[in-house]
This record gives sequence, structure tokens and C-alpha cells, in this order.
Amino acid sequence: EAGVVQSPRYKIIEKKQPVAFWCNPISGHNTLYWYLQNLGQGPELLIRYENEEAVDDSQLPKDRFSAERLKGVDSTLKIQPAELGDSAVYLCASSLGLNKDTQYFGPGTRLTVL
Amino acid sequence: GIQVEQSPPDLILQEGANSTLRCNFSDSVNNLQWFHQNPWGQLINLFYIPSGTKQNGRLSATTVATERYSLLYISSSQTTDSGVYFCAVEQASGGSYIPTFGRGTSLIVHP
Repeated sequence: EAGVVQSPRYKIIEKKQPVAFWCNPISGHNTLYWYLQNLGQGPELLIRYENEEAVDDSQLPKDRFSAERLKGVDSTLKIQPAELGDSAVYLCASSLGLNKDTQYFGPGTRLTVL
Repeated sequence: GIQVEQSPPDLILQEGANSTLRCNFSDSVNNLQWFHQNPWGQLINLFYIPSGTKQNGRLSATTVATERYSLLYISSSQTTDSGVYFCAVEQASGGSYIPTFGRGTSLIVHP
């Protein structure tokens, strides 16, 4: 069984530029999570999807961040415009369903904003 | 929101030693998971353990939900156990379940 796939693995951009991250969850997993992880910290939830519906997005900075999960499978997280403080690792995870199963994480995208 | 505290923050062991990692949380939770983040950044789930005790090889975990803590035991540690161990809890809040991670315990196992 394939794991959670994320791309790109690394991204370097200049501030004020847009950037997008892509995630393909494990087949059959209805719940998808996007996290941000700063150095030396645990992951922090940005948004959670149940199928195509965003059900927890209170921690997503909506002035510059957006996300979508079309058809309830793949998901894209976008930042526009990026700021220096957005440099971090962006992690995607999936699970079978809410409160039913452990989360399986992708390898992450390391973003550097110059 | 709920507070998740992990101890110790750092741990250095000699190969073959045993260790206990602790996770305290400030409120009742619906589930709890332990993860290992390897030196390359990949997070691997170890246990899904809202209560009770589970064992998987050299690792075991116990969650006492009524007392708001969980323990992760590592026996006969190996160099491949090095990395950061995270505890993550989920708490129901207004119909949502917000996962909250602790800051982790950084483990180094020397040969």
C-alpha cells in the first residue's frame, strides 16, 4: 500500500511570491490534515478535511493561506503572498476517518522563504 | 486549548538501555497517539492508544486517561530509535476534533 505522497519535497522562493503544495492521501482515507511544523516544535494543525469538506480551519491564516480538496482525494495548500515567517515544513496526513484511526504522515515539504 | 507536556525534553542513552517517556495533558481527550520522527523528518505512528496498554516489539505504551497521562516505554534501545518522539491528543470541541501535539522528546542512542 502506497503511503501519503507530497510534492515538492523542497521549495525555495522569495517573499511575496506564491507557492503551492500538493498531497495525495492513502487510498480510501476520508480524513486529510495539513500541518505546519517549525524547527524544534510539534506539528500544528492548519486545516482538516472530511472528504471534500473543510471541517477544522480555525488555525488557517485565511488572509494568505487557502486549501482545497477537490473530489475528496488530492489536496492543495497555497500561500499567496509568502512571508519570511512562513518558512517551515508543511506536512500532510490522512486517516480512515474522524476519531477512528491513527494518522499517517507524508514526508513533508520544506519551504524556505528568502 | 488543551496543553500537552512531554518529558524529558532531551534524552541520551547508551545502546541497550531502557527508557520511559511521559506525556501529560490538561483535559480529557478522545484519543492519544505516539509518533516517532526520524532524523530525516518522517513521522511514523507507533501507537493509537486512548486508554489501556499496548505493546509492539521493544516498545509499549500505557495511557491512564482518568489521570491524564501516557507513558511510552523503550526497552533495549537501538541507534535506530534515535529521533523525536511526539505525543498527540485529540479533544472534542464544538463538534470538531483538534489534534494537538506536544513539543516532543528528543532521543539520541549512542552505540
